[in-house]
Amino acid sequence: QKEVEQNSGPLSVPEGAIASLNCTYSDRGSQSFFWYRQYSGKSPELIMSIYSNGDKEDGRFTAQLNKASQYVSLLIRDSQPSDSATYLCAPTVGGATNKLIFGTGTLLAVQP
Amino acid sequence: NAGVTQTPKFRILKIGQSMTLQCTQDMNHNYMYWYRQDPGMGLKLIYYSVGAGITDKGEVPNGYNVSRSTTEDFPLRLELAAPSQTSVYFCASSYSVRNRYSNQPQHFGDGTRLSIL
Repeated sequence: QKEVEQNSGPLSVPEGAIASLNCTYSDRGSQSFFWYRQYSGKSPELIMSIYSNGDKEDGRFTAQLNKASQYVSLLIRDSQPSDSATYLCAPTVGGATNKLIFGTGTLLAVQP
Repeated sequence: NAGVTQTPKFRILKIGQSMTLQCTQDMNHNYMYWYRQDPGMGLKLIYYSVGAGITDKGEVPNGYNVSRSTTEDFPLRLELAAPSQTSVYFCASSYSVRNRYSNQPQHFGDGTRLSIL
């Protein structure tokens, strides 16, 4: 059974702080990793993708990947109240089919 | 550019009724997917398609059917609605896999909120 584990939260951080979201996955064959943001009642929105071990930065977001440890994380710098949402970690499974497996998500609450 | 469009946005069904959830995309994506999301849960894959005429089961296919006659459209059919199918349904699409080590991200529609009473 392929699984993705995320702390469900809520993770509460003050405005301007760094939010750290973590994810572990069970399928060693996963090659690509995506982070989606989902506001309450809305659809998932892609915010980051990472394919290689190490860090990838995009604006205030940094994704980190360690395939040996089967661990991926998302850092949000200078957190804003508008970042308050559920963050879904999604590794690929099934190779060429591009299928994703989703964690249950971490609810982030940024306090003004 | 509309992206992925789902209709209807909301629907209430009675037990035993049938309906089709529509999904269309205008990005010329080969791959399309149907998910369901129950409250407080992650998305579960129902069915997917890697091209017109090709469909396959996902993690939770029971009670659903799909077809893919064109690249743009991927409808999801519920034949005998049951209360357990009350959920939010999302359709997504993506380009084909770029290479073995670099998958393409999926892009989601706005969802259909379905209640079965």
